[in-house]
Amino acid sequence: EAGVTQSPTHLIKTRGQQATLRCSPISGHTSVYWYQQALGLGLQFLLWYDEGEERNRGNFPPRFSGRQFPNYSSELNVNALELEDSALYLCASTRGFEPQHFGDGTRLSIL
Amino acid sequence: QKEVEQNSGPLSVPEGAIASLNCTYSDRGSQSFFWYRQYSGKSPELIMFIYSNGDKEDGRFTAQLNKASQYVSLLIRDSQPSDSATYLCAVPLSYGQNFVFGPGTRLSVLP
Repeated sequence: EAGVTQSPTHLIKTRGQQATLRCSPISGHTSVYWYQQALGLGLQFLLWYDEGEERNRGNFPPRFSGRQFPNYSSELNVNALELEDSALYLCASTRGFEPQHFGDGTRLSIL
Repeated sequence: QKEVEQNSGPLSVPEGAIASLNCTYSDRGSQSFFWYRQYSGKSPELIMFIYSNGDKEDGRFTAQLNKASQYVSLLIRDSQPSDSATYLCAVPLSYGQNFVFGPGTRLSVLP
Protein backbone atom coordinates (compact mmCIF):
# COMPACT_ATOMS: atom_id res chain seq x y z
CA GLU A 1 0.00 0.00 0.00
CA ALA A 2 1.43 3.35 -1.02
CA GLY A 3 1.86 5.85 1.76
CA VAL A 4 1.11 9.56 1.78
CA THR A 5 3.08 11.32 -0.93
CA GLN A 6 3.98 14.98 -0.97
CA SER A 7 5.52 17.10 -3.68
CA PRO A 8 7.81 18.81 -4.16
CA THR A 9 10.37 17.67 -1.57
CA HIS A 10 11.99 21.07 -1.49
CA LEU A 11 10.76 24.44 -2.68
CA ILE A 12 12.72 27.67 -2.76
CA LYS A 13 10.86 30.94 -3.20
CA THR A 14 11.43 34.63 -2.62
CA ARG A 15 9.38 37.01 -0.53
CA GLY A 16 6.05 37.96 -2.09
CA GLN A 17 5.86 34.91 -4.35
CA GLN A 18 3.23 32.18 -4.18
CA ALA A 19 3.81 28.51 -3.36
CA THR A 20 1.72 25.43 -4.09
CA LEU A 21 2.30 22.20 -2.20
CA ARG A 22 0.62 18.92 -3.08
CA CYS A 23 -0.44 15.84 -1.15
CA SER A 24 -1.82 12.45 -2.17
CA PRO A 25 -3.42 10.50 0.67
CA ILE A 26 -3.34 6.79 1.32
CA SER A 27 -5.94 4.96 -0.76
CA GLY A 28 -9.26 4.88 1.12
CA HIS A 29 -8.46 7.88 3.29
CA THR A 30 -10.88 10.78 2.93
CA SER A 31 -9.34 13.32 5.33
CA VAL A 32 -6.22 15.37 4.78
CA TYR A 33 -4.54 17.52 7.40
CA TRP A 34 -1.86 20.13 6.78
CA TYR A 35 0.68 21.17 9.41
CA GLN A 36 3.48 23.70 9.55
CA GLN A 37 6.61 22.87 11.52
CA ALA A 38 9.20 25.60 11.84
CA LEU A 39 12.75 24.53 12.71
CA GLY A 40 12.95 23.21 16.26
CA LEU A 41 9.27 23.81 16.98
CA GLY A 42 6.16 21.64 17.25
CA LEU A 43 3.44 20.85 14.76
CA GLN A 44 1.14 23.78 14.07
CA PHE A 45 -2.25 22.79 12.67
CA LEU A 46 -3.06 24.59 9.42
CA LEU A 47 -6.05 23.03 7.66
CA TRP A 48 -8.31 19.99 7.73
CA TYR A 49 -10.14 18.74 4.66
CA ASP A 50 -12.64 15.92 4.66
CA GLU A 51 -14.79 14.69 1.77
CA GLY A 52 -13.81 17.73 -0.28
CA GLU A 53 -14.80 20.31 2.33
CA GLU A 54 -12.69 22.48 4.60
CA ARG A 55 -13.66 21.37 8.12
CA ASN A 56 -11.40 23.53 10.24
CA ARG A 57 -8.40 25.82 10.03
CA GLY A 58 -5.75 26.80 12.52
CA ASN A 59 -4.66 30.25 13.57
CA PHE A 60 -3.07 31.25 10.27
CA PRO A 61 -3.77 34.25 8.02
CA PRO A 62 -6.05 33.90 4.96
CA ARG A 63 -3.05 33.83 2.60
CA PHE A 64 -2.78 30.18 3.64
CA SER A 65 -5.47 28.32 1.75
CA GLY A 66 -6.07 25.03 0.06
CA ARG A 67 -8.50 22.61 -1.39
CA GLN A 68 -9.28 18.94 -1.65
CA PHE A 69 -10.05 17.34 -4.97
CA PRO A 70 -12.64 14.63 -5.75
CA ASN A 71 -9.89 11.97 -5.59
CA TYR A 72 -9.12 13.25 -2.03
CA SER A 73 -5.73 14.65 -2.97
CA SER A 74 -5.08 18.12 -1.69
CA GLU A 75 -3.02 21.20 -2.31
CA LEU A 76 -1.90 23.96 0.01
CA ASN A 77 -1.40 27.44 -1.39
CA VAL A 78 0.57 30.13 0.36
CA ASN A 79 0.34 33.62 -1.13
CA ALA A 80 2.53 36.65 -0.52
CA LEU A 81 5.28 34.55 1.03
CA GLU A 82 7.09 35.95 4.05
CA LEU A 83 10.44 34.94 5.53
CA GLU A 84 8.71 33.36 8.56
CA ASP A 85 6.86 30.96 6.26
CA SER A 86 10.09 28.99 5.93
CA ALA A 87 9.25 25.61 7.48
CA LEU A 88 8.57 21.95 6.89
CA TYR A 89 5.00 21.50 5.68
CA LEU A 90 3.53 18.14 6.53
CA CYS A 91 0.47 16.46 5.14
CA ALA A 92 -1.28 13.61 6.92
CA SER A 93 -4.20 11.47 5.85
CA THR A 94 -6.72 9.47 7.81
CA ARG A 95 -10.23 8.09 7.77
CA GLY A 96 -12.65 8.79 10.61
CA PHE A 97 -10.94 8.42 13.98
CA GLU A 98 -8.12 6.21 12.70
CA PRO A 99 -4.51 7.35 13.25
CA GLN A 100 -3.02 9.90 10.91
CA HIS A 101 -0.25 8.84 8.56
CA PHE A 102 2.25 11.45 7.44
CA GLY A 103 4.05 12.15 4.22
CA ASP A 104 7.73 13.05 4.19
CA GLY A 105 6.91 16.75 3.95
CA THR A 106 7.83 19.69 1.74
CA ARG A 107 10.62 21.92 2.98
CA LEU A 108 9.80 25.49 1.95
CA SER A 109 12.59 28.02 2.06
CA ILE A 110 11.95 31.72 1.58
CA LEU A 111 14.90 33.83 0.48
CA GLN B 1 -6.59 24.37 29.52
CA LYS B 2 -5.02 23.10 26.31
CA GLU B 3 -6.63 20.09 24.70
CA VAL B 4 -3.50 17.91 24.84
CA GLU B 5 -0.57 18.63 27.15
CA GLN B 6 2.87 17.07 27.50
CA ASN B 7 6.03 17.95 29.35
CA SER B 8 8.34 19.49 26.76
CA GLY B 9 11.49 18.01 28.28
CA PRO B 10 14.16 17.34 27.45
CA LEU B 11 13.90 14.06 29.31
CA SER B 12 17.30 12.43 29.67
CA VAL B 13 17.69 8.77 30.62
CA PRO B 14 20.73 6.45 30.57
CA GLU B 15 20.90 3.64 28.05
CA GLY B 16 19.01 0.58 29.31
CA ALA B 17 16.72 2.54 31.63
CA ILE B 18 12.94 2.98 31.39
CA ALA B 19 11.74 6.22 29.83
CA SER B 20 8.32 7.42 30.95
CA LEU B 21 6.44 9.95 28.80
CA ASN B 22 3.17 11.48 29.94
CA CYS B 23 0.19 13.12 28.26
CA THR B 24 -3.05 14.61 29.58
CA TYR B 25 -6.11 15.52 27.53
CA SER B 26 -9.20 17.61 28.17
CA ASP B 27 -11.91 15.98 26.04
CA ARG B 28 -13.71 13.32 28.09
CA GLY B 29 -15.37 12.12 24.87
CA SER B 30 -12.08 11.07 23.27
CA GLN B 31 -11.94 7.34 22.63
CA SER B 32 -8.59 6.68 21.00
CA PHE B 33 -5.05 7.78 21.72
CA PHE B 34 -1.90 7.65 19.63
CA TRP B 35 1.83 8.01 20.19
CA TYR B 36 4.10 9.21 17.42
CA ARG B 37 7.88 9.40 17.28
CA GLN B 38 9.57 12.18 15.32
CA TYR B 39 13.26 12.25 14.58
CA SER B 40 14.80 15.64 13.90
CA GLY B 41 13.98 16.82 10.38
CA LYS B 42 11.71 13.86 9.69
CA SER B 43 7.95 13.39 9.72
CA PRO B 44 6.14 11.80 12.69
CA GLU B 45 5.61 8.04 12.60
CA LEU B 46 2.95 6.13 14.50
CA ILE B 47 4.41 3.79 17.14
CA MET B 48 1.52 2.93 19.46
CA PHE B 49 -2.22 3.32 19.83
CA ILE B 50 -4.57 2.48 22.68
CA TYR B 51 -8.35 2.51 22.98
CA SER B 52 -9.13 0.80 26.29
CA ASN B 53 -8.23 1.54 29.88
CA GLY B 54 -5.16 -0.31 31.08
CA ASP B 55 -1.90 -1.28 29.45
CA LYS B 56 -1.00 -2.25 25.91
CA GLU B 57 2.43 -3.69 25.17
CA ASP B 58 4.27 -3.86 21.87
CA GLY B 59 7.90 -4.94 22.10
CA ARG B 60 9.77 -2.46 24.27
CA PHE B 61 6.85 -0.01 24.25
CA THR B 62 3.93 0.03 26.68
CA ALA B 63 1.03 2.48 26.42
CA GLN B 64 -1.05 3.10 29.53
CA LEU B 65 -4.50 4.72 29.52
CA ASN B 66 -6.55 6.02 32.44
CA LYS B 67 -9.72 7.64 31.09
CA ALA B 68 -10.99 8.65 34.54
CA SER B 69 -7.84 10.73 35.07
CA GLN B 70 -7.66 11.71 31.37
CA TYR B 71 -4.10 10.52 31.27
CA VAL B 72 -2.12 8.44 28.78
CA SER B 73 1.52 7.48 29.06
CA LEU B 74 4.21 5.73 27.05
CA LEU B 75 6.90 3.61 28.66
CA ILE B 76 10.03 2.65 26.74
CA ARG B 77 11.93 -0.22 28.32
CA ASP B 78 15.63 -0.86 27.76
CA SER B 79 16.01 2.59 26.19
CA GLN B 80 18.51 2.84 23.34
CA PRO B 81 20.29 5.90 21.91
CA SER B 82 18.23 5.31 18.74
CA ASP B 83 15.11 6.10 20.82
CA SER B 84 16.30 9.70 21.13
CA ALA B 85 13.55 11.68 19.42
CA THR B 86 10.50 13.80 20.13
CA TYR B 87 7.42 11.83 21.17
CA LEU B 88 4.03 13.27 20.28
CA CYS B 89 0.75 12.35 21.93
CA ALA B 90 -2.27 12.65 19.59
CA VAL B 91 -5.96 12.58 20.46
CA PRO B 92 -8.91 12.63 18.06
CA LEU B 93 -11.46 14.96 19.64
CA SER B 94 -15.16 14.29 19.78
CA TYR B 95 -15.85 17.85 18.55
CA GLY B 96 -14.42 20.59 16.32
CA GLN B 97 -10.94 19.91 14.96
CA ASN B 98 -10.82 16.19 14.67
CA PHE B 99 -7.21 15.53 15.64
CA VAL B 100 -4.98 17.33 18.13
CA PHE B 101 -1.28 16.77 18.73
CA GLY B 102 0.45 17.63 21.96
CA PRO B 103 3.60 19.79 21.84
CA GLY B 104 5.83 16.72 22.19
CA THR B 105 8.42 15.56 24.71
CA ARG B 106 12.04 15.46 23.61
CA LEU B 107 13.76 12.29 24.84
CA SER B 108 17.53 11.91 24.99
CA VAL B 109 18.99 8.47 25.74
CA LEU B 110 22.57 8.78 26.90
CA PRO B 111 25.07 6.01 26.01
